[in-house]
Amino acid sequence: QQQVKQSPQSLIVQKGGISIINCAYENTAFDYFPWYQQFPGKGPALLIAIRPDVSEKKEGRFTISFNKSAKQFSLHIMDSQPGDSATYFCAASISNSGYSTLTFGKGTMLLVSP
Amino acid sequence: EAEVAQSPRYKITEKSQAVAFWCDPISGHATLYWYRQILGQGPELLVQFQDESVVDDSQLPKDRFSAERLKGVDSTLKIQPAELGDSAMYLCASRQDRSAYNSPLHFGNGTRLTVT
Repeated sequence: QQQVKQSPQSLIVQKGGISIINCAYENTAFDYFPWYQQFPGKGPALLIAIRPDVSEKKEGRFTISFNKSAKQFSLHIMDSQPGDSATYFCAASISNSGYSTLTFGKGTMLLVSP
Repeated sequence: EAEVAQSPRYKITEKSQAVAFWCDPISGHATLYWYRQILGQGPELLVQFQDESVVDDSQLPKDRFSAERLKGVDSTLKIQPAELGDSAMYLCASRQDRSAYNSPLHFGNGTRLTVT
């Protein structure tokens, strides 16, 4: 059972454009929603994260929008740059007896064309 | 910036052989995770340690996989015998605070395993 569904699988955006990646979850017990960025040959790195009591969080060119009622959240990359070309993973976590476990989406491969 | 160290970076092994991966988390990080990432997919949790204790190994195929963190610092993940379907990237991650779920998870660069 896939608990976090991510789309699209791949995305091509022109330099300067807006990249939008969407995720949906089913488990209402999830209480933390991070996005990770992964370059080829590297491990994922935390990009930005949001909690369900906030509808939007912005850090530089990266914004998370969160819709609790729809159980959806999305990543917006403004003014996309070729250096943003990477695979992006949404994730969700649930606190269980003090230990949190991250469940990842399947990823979106973003290519920003020059 | 401190990093999670993993070795080897690449491993090629034949089916039915044993293979082992090593991880050294960031100093002071009590919580350690092993994830498996199949090409084109997101990481999937295999096992989670708090200090030297396993707190979640529900997704670890225990007939062939084992993991240990004897002194609560570095960790080893072993596969014996390896199967073709085990070909994947094996990622180690650590976090500083076990109960603060918004404590960032830091990943190593992984070990790419190819089983032939």
